[in-house]
Amino acid sequence: KQEVTQIPAALSVPEGENLVLNCSFTDSAIYNLQWFRQDPGKGLTSLLLIQSSQREQTSGRLNASLDKSSGRSTLYIAASQPGDSATYLCAVNPLGRDMRFGAGTRLTVKP
Amino acid sequence: NAGVTQTPKFQVLKTGQSMTLQCAQDMNHNSMYWYRQDPGMGLRLIYYSASEGTTDKGEVPNGYNVSRLNKREFSLRLESAAPSQTSVYFCASGQVYEQYFGPGTRLTVT
Repeated sequence: KQEVTQIPAALSVPEGENLVLNCSFTDSAIYNLQWFRQDPGKGLTSLLLIQSSQREQTSGRLNASLDKSSGRSTLYIAASQPGDSATYLCAVNPLGRDMRFGAGTRLTVKP
Repeated sequence: NAGVTQTPKFQVLKTGQSMTLQCAQDMNHNSMYWYRQDPGMGLRLIYYSASEGTTDKGEVPNGYNVSRLNKREFSLRLESAAPSQTSVYFCASGQVYEQYFGPGTRLTVT
């Protein structure tokens, strides 16, 4: 059974800092991995999707990497801003099965 | 283009009551999903529909039923609500392993 773990559960940083969020998964047989953002009381917004054949994806200040062999992905946020405060969720798509989510990392960026 | 819409946004039920959560998408996706989100546990799949006319159980289907009414609409029914079903429910649609989520329904069962 695919298990997805996100560490840390919560993170607080001062504005302007670069930061890394971690996601690990137990089964390397995945189709892709997706990072989402969730604001309080809201739905999920897709940030980046990495296909299993890719090593990384970038969008603006965000960079996501994927290492299937070690079962790890990281989300790098450069020059963090208070508007980045949200919960970040990692989800993996196992081959032929439903998507599995981590519990998320709650990020607070202090002005 | 509204994406994925869900109704209602909030609902309070008493134990034993029934209700149906509605979901619609306008992106012409074949697949639709229902998840629940509980604190500290991430999202868990309740049911999904790979195409119109088909439905399959996910990780936590007990206590729920679904209907894929047509390509656009996928409803989730609680026949006899229990306090353990207090959660936030998300509908999603997608294709080729990428999903788009609705805003969620916050359900409280007392």
